[in-house]
Formats: sequence, C-alpha cells, structure tokens
Amino acid sequence: DVKVTQSSRYLVKRTGEKVFLECVQDMDHENMFWYRQDPGLGLRLIYFSYDVKMKEKGDIPEGYSVSREKKERFSLILESASTNQTSMYLCASWTSGLDEQFFGPGTRLTVL
Amino acid sequence: EDQVTQSPEALRLQEGESSSLNCSYTVSGLRGLFWYRQDPGKGPEFLFTLYSAGEEKEKERLKATLTKKESFLHITAPKPEDSATYLCAVRTGGSYIPTFGRGTSLIVHP
Repeated sequence: DVKVTQSSRYLVKRTGEKVFLECVQDMDHENMFWYRQDPGLGLRLIYFSYDVKMKEKGDIPEGYSVSREKKERFSLILESASTNQTSMYLCASWTSGLDEQFFGPGTRLTVL
Repeated sequence: EDQVTQSPEALRLQEGESSSLNCSYTVSGLRGLFWYRQDPGKGPEFLFTLYSAGEEKEKERLKATLTKKESFLHITAPKPEDSATYLCAVRTGGSYIPTFGRGTSLIVHP
C-alpha cells in the first residue's frame, strides 16, 4: 500500500512564526503536491513538484515556499505565519505509472 | 480554463434510499476523471478513475459512470457509513495537476 505521511496531525503556531510542514511518501512517486482545504472553497493547490528540486506554483502560492531535496520528501514552509493561513493542509503524491493521487492524513494548522 | 462543478452541495438520504451525485466538467482533452471519498478531518481516499465516455466502475454500493460532459456517482441502498464528502477531479493533457470540484457532502440517516 502506498503511504503518504505528514509530520503532524494538529499544529498550533503564533503569528509571525516560521512553520514547517513535512510530507513523506514511500512509493518513489515523481509528483508531489501541497493543498489547503477550507470550508466552501474546496481543495486549492499551493505548490506542485514533479521531480527533486523542481517545483511549480499552484493557485495560491503567496506566503508559502516549498523544498524537495529528496524524492520521497516534500516540505511546505510558511515563512511568517498569519491568521489567514489557519487551514487544513493536505499533501499528495502521484506517479505516472499509477493514475491515482494518494493523499496524506492532513495537518490541521491553527495560527493564533 | 478547466472547470469542475459538483451538485448538489449537500445531500441527505435515508438509509436504503438510492441517489446520484453529479460532476459536470468543461475541459479540453480529458485524460481522466477521478472520484474520492473524504471523511471529516481526514485526507481524501481514492475511489475510481474513468477515462472515456461510457465507462463504468463499481465498488460495493458505489457505481461511477462517465459521459462526454459529466460523471455520476450512483449510491445504491446507502448505509450511514457512506456518509462523507465525495470529491470529483479531472486531469487534462499531459499535466499531473488535477482540477477539483468543491465536493458533495452526503449524510445518510439510519
């Protein structure tokens, strides 16, 4: 079974803090994604990575950056957390060989 | 621009009352249509991929169908454990970035 794991299920941070969300997949997938999900807005893509060190901006990249130094790990960084970044963050991975997108369990981030 | 619209936004059913969820799409060059189930507070779980009009796939009480403009997720004799949000997404061209609909929240009452 493909597994996508996220470093935390719940996280509480203060405004202005630097926040790291980590995602690891165990199936050698090329493509990895970070989404945020908010009530009424659905899933919105923050960043996408199609290979190590390669990234593309999604629909809402402002206030976020990403890092992919190893194929299995994709990190989302909030440089200076703000209250409007309180959300559910979901990581996903996808391989061209299997036409399925696998999601992690999500991280519920609250910024106070 | 690719668009995916799901309806209804919310659906309440009695146990055993069959119904369908709709996903309509406006895309050029459909490469795949995907259905997911998402339980509260969890990540989406993959259900089906459909590729061409006329294709159907089944899993337990769920059956997904595809036409050239929309997909239906039929739920036959639902049970309370089928309560979840169902998400639809499409992929086009050579991109691995899917476009998601906003989902249908299904509640099945015992």
